[in-house]
Parts: sequence; C-alpha cells; structure tokens
Amino acid sequence: EAEVAQSPRYKITEKSQAVAFWCDPISGHATLYWYRQILGQGPELLVQFQDESVVDDSQLPKDRFSAERLKGVDSTLKIQPAELGDSAMYLCASSSRAGTGSGTEAFFGQGTRLTVV
Amino acid sequence: QKEVEQNSGPLSVPEGAIASLNCTYSDRVSQSFFWYRQYSGKSPELIMSIYSNGDKEDGRFTAQLNKASQYVSLLIRDSQPSDSATYLCAVNSGSARQLTFGSGTQLTVLP
Repeated sequence: EAEVAQSPRYKITEKSQAVAFWCDPISGHATLYWYRQILGQGPELLVQFQDESVVDDSQLPKDRFSAERLKGVDSTLKIQPAELGDSAMYLCASSSRAGTGSGTEAFFGQGTRLTVV
Repeated sequence: QKEVEQNSGPLSVPEGAIASLNCTYSDRVSQSFFWYRQYSGKSPELIMSIYSNGDKEDGRFTAQLNKASQYVSLLIRDSQPSDSATYLCAVNSGSARQLTFGSGTQLTVLP
C-alpha cells in the first residue's frame, strides 16, 4: 500500500544545533505539505509545495526554517538553529493535487517527533 | 476568528451510543472538507471526505455538510472504545487551497 515515508521518527537535538527532516510522498502526488503539531493542538501548515514550487510558506519562520523539494518528489525541512520552542511533531502529507474535490485528500506520514534540549 | 473551529471537548459517550463532532469554518469559498482521526502519539488518519451539501455515509461514520451555515459534522454510530481518539476537521481554504485544520475534539468512548 502506498504511503508517505518520513525520517527520522524521533530526533533529540540541542538548542542552537541544526536539524533536518526528510519526506518522500506517495508516488505521483504533486502536492506536498509540511505541518508542525504541538501537543494538544491541530496541525499548523508550515509550507505547501506544488511539484517543486512553493505555493504557501506564509507561516514558515524563515529566519530559521527552510524547505525544499528540488525535483518535485521528496522534500527536506531544515531548522537552523533549533530553539526550545521548536519541540513538536513535524508531519509531512501529500495529495494527488491541491484545489477542491476528489484527489485533494491528504495522507500523512508517521511524523518526526522533535525534542530540543 | 480562527479559520476552522472545533469544540475542544473532551467529549465522552458510552459504548454503543452516537458521537457527534462539530466543525465550523470561515472561508465561504471552501469546497473540500475532511475528517481525520488521530490516536495519541500517532499521525492523523483520513476517515472521511465530503465535497457537496448533505450527508455522506461510510460504515459507522456519517459526514454532514451545510455550506450555507459553514458547518460540517461527523457522526459515529455504535461508538466503540477503539474510536477513542482526537478527531480533526480540515478544510481547503485560502488562495492556494491550503489544507487548514481545527484544533481537534478529543473523544472518549466509555466501555
């Protein structure tokens, strides 16, 4: 069964260090999302890609976060430097397309649990 | 006003009862609506999608959409303890049709 792959599953890093997360979407899915979820809250969109292009990164803290999807397939989200407040679950999701109607259902990977100490 | 609002709960129902989860959204242009289930420590799992007004049934789950009232709900019939989870409402909204989530409703089904 097709699924979204994420790695690592868990990451502990020290404050001010760099950290990176990787996501491989379901094959053929053009839309890729990165979300951050703090315990007890809903997922918050950080960045949305359509193929290799960023279509929304309005909530991405660009002074420390960066994201890329160079060939329109897999994607990397980086934090540098990490801060204590970045501790959260980082979720990647993909959908066949963005927009409305069938095909816009997003499927999530297992997530990366980040702890900054 | 948040774009997608849900009652945070927690909501408790006895086993076998109907659980009713509600969601309102602010973007009148939204056309796609989703319900996700999230177990503690796990990632969200898609359980229902709905695109037009009315009801959509899938097994024990029924999604209801009223675009005029900007309201979407999820009914779970014959609730089971395994249904205990947080239920997230998600809506396509914004210029890029971003998928925006509510804060979730925690449901507990009591044996």
